[in-house]
Amino acid sequence: QQQVKQSPQSLIVQKGGISIINCAYENTAFDYFPWYQQFPGKGPALLIAIRPDVSEKKEGRFTISFNKSAKQFSLHIMDSQPGDSATYFCAASMASNYQLIWGAGTKLIIKP
Amino acid sequence: DAGITQSPRHKVTETGTPVTLRCHQTENHRYMYWYRQDPGHGLRLIHYSYGVKDTDKGEVSDGYSVSRSKTEDFLLTLESATSSQTSVYFCAISAQVNTEAFFGQGTRLTVV
Repeated sequence: QQQVKQSPQSLIVQKGGISIINCAYENTAFDYFPWYQQFPGKGPALLIAIRPDVSEKKEGRFTISFNKSAKQFSLHIMDSQPGDSATYFCAASMASNYQLIWGAGTKLIIKP
Repeated sequence: DAGITQSPRHKVTETGTPVTLRCHQTENHRYMYWYRQDPGHGLRLIHYSYGVKDTDKGEVSDGYSVSRSKTEDFLLTLESATSSQTSVYFCAISAQVNTEAFFGQGTRLTVV
């Protein structure tokens, strides 16, 4: 019940296209859903995060869509650029537990 | 990076030897975490700290111990290194739970 399932494992998108990564969770007590971006040789860095009181959050080309009833959330990258090529992780946590539960990651490649 | 330094950045050690990894922060954040990252597993929490001398176990704590004697330093010790502990280790900090976590650059540990 603590798992966060992320798909796909890898994704290739043409430059200018839309990249979509999906995550699903079971524990309805989760109340914080961040997405992290990681470049090779670096630590993960927060990209965007959402809390369950909203269904969508947009920051520039990055949007989180959140479906509370389906227990799913997704990351959309509009107008994908080669510089977006990285590994993306979804995660979930709750205020009563210090642990951030991570998805397994999606390796995104944007082809020029 | 948000004032987090991990040392060493790379280490090769022999099976059965003790190893200590250090995380130093200059942000005065209350919470500190040690994660390991392995292909296909995302990030898994080893131990975390919610204050000086206050630590607790994470998901994969067996074979690891931690100490936090000062706000700025969080040490991870592999008591007797095994090949299964070959991994990339990340330290993270956060000001509060359920908020952005900032990651260090990582330590690549190889146990031979």
